Amino acid sequence: NAGVTQTPKFRILKIGQSMTLQCAQDMNHNYMYWYRQDPGMGLKLIYYSVGAGITDKGEVPNGYNVSRSTTEDFPLRLELAAPSQTSVYFCASSYNTEAFFGQGTRLTVV
Amino acid sequence: ILNVEQSPQSLHVQEGDSTNFTCSFPSSNFYALHWYRWETAKSPEALFVMTLNGDEKKKGRISATLNTKEGYSYLYIKGSQPEDSATYLCAFPGTYKYIFGTGTRLKVLA
Repeated sequence: NAGVTQTPKFRILKIGQSMTLQCAQDMNHNYMYWYRQDPGMGLKLIYYSVGAGITDKGEVPNGYNVSRSTTEDFPLRLELAAPSQTSVYFCASSYNTEAFFGQGTRLTVV
Repeated sequence: ILNVEQSPQSLHVQEGDSTNFTCSFPSSNFYALHWYRWETAKSPEALFVMTLNGDEKKKGRISATLNTKEGYSYLYIKGSQPEDSATYLCAFPGTYKYIFGTGTRLKVLA
């Protein structure tokens, strides 16, 4: 099993550009999450999904969109990148027990 | 949004000192509490899953206790070592959401 695979690992975007952060898990977990981690802060929940076709907002959803067309994939879309979205992004999945994390994507918006 | 708080935010201790920190969470609708260890540039690593009031878990020099009635968990590190330096996160799997505390950043000085 690969666990949770997150791509890319690093990305620099210009203000106003768009991009999609990919997340895939092969553990057949229903729950998937996107978090962002800002310097000196903990993890803030952006969006989450409880199964294919079902997504909902977390604590900091503004500026992001998600979709969950399959159990395995949960991409995060940034439509108009802003400097405030410079952060490290983590995708995770869980099945009522512990969460398993991807390796993170370090995004810089300049 | 559930409120999961950790204290202190950061902590510096000398090598060999023992230390502890706190995670506070809503005591109603308790399901489980998770502790994670998170080193810079890595993804969080699960330490403990705690489910029962009065639970005490141990892993080497690290242990944790749980009080679900009053809504807190303590993490203890005995004889801290420089390799214990990390951020320690607690997480509360609320209904459909997996909410993390802000974390306690521990720095062990040699």
